[in-house]
Amino acid sequence: AQTVTQSQPEMSVQEAETVTLSCTYDTSENNYYLFWYKQPPSRQMILVIRQEAYKQQNATENRFSVNFQKAAKSFSLKISDSQLGDTAMYFCAFMKPPGGANSKLTFGKGITLSVRP
Amino acid sequence: NAGVTQTPKFQVLKTGQSMTLQCAQDMNHNSMYWYRQDPGMGLRLIYYSASEGTTDKGEVPNGYNVSRLNKREFSLRLESAAPSQTSVYFCASSVADAYEQYFGPGTRLTVT
Repeated sequence: AQTVTQSQPEMSVQEAETVTLSCTYDTSENNYYLFWYKQPPSRQMILVIRQEAYKQQNATENRFSVNFQKAAKSFSLKISDSQLGDTAMYFCAFMKPPGGANSKLTFGKGITLSVRP
Repeated sequence: NAGVTQTPKFQVLKTGQSMTLQCAQDMNHNSMYWYRQDPGMGLRLIYYSASEGTTDKGEVPNGYNVSRLNKREFSLRLESAAPSQTSVYFCASSVADAYEQYFGPGTRLTVT
């Protein structure tokens, strides 16, 4: 079974600064997907970024980028130029290659990020 | 195109009462999921349906039943609600063999 660990329950960052959210995972699989989801106060789950384990290049989406260390089973999210709208809970999640019973997400416990004006 | 819709948005039940949470998607997705979110626990999978006509247990299925009514709809039933089922429930859907899941807005359920 896969596990996803987010050990920091809360973080705070000044607007316009950079913050890194940590995530580690455990799996015996060689191929898999990793995700970061954002949940603002509206409660809606929003996919921020994904990383395929077979890709060495770290994924980037605008101000969001990841540091994927496969050997260390580490998957951190960096948010650059933090904005007030980034205030939310962030979840790290794991999925085996999708298909049938594999298409299930395993989530970490989440981290609450507050962006200060 | 409404995406994934859930009804109701909020519900309060007494212990022992039953209810059904409804979920529908209009994206022609094959796979649908029910998760629950508890403080400090993240989201945990209750049941999923990989395709129309099939359902399987997830991580925390006890106390729940599901029905994949058709390709669009996937309902979650609590036969005899317990305070431990107080949670926020999310439905999600995805194309078969695709990684991205689309989530509904959630239902906040309180069992007293």
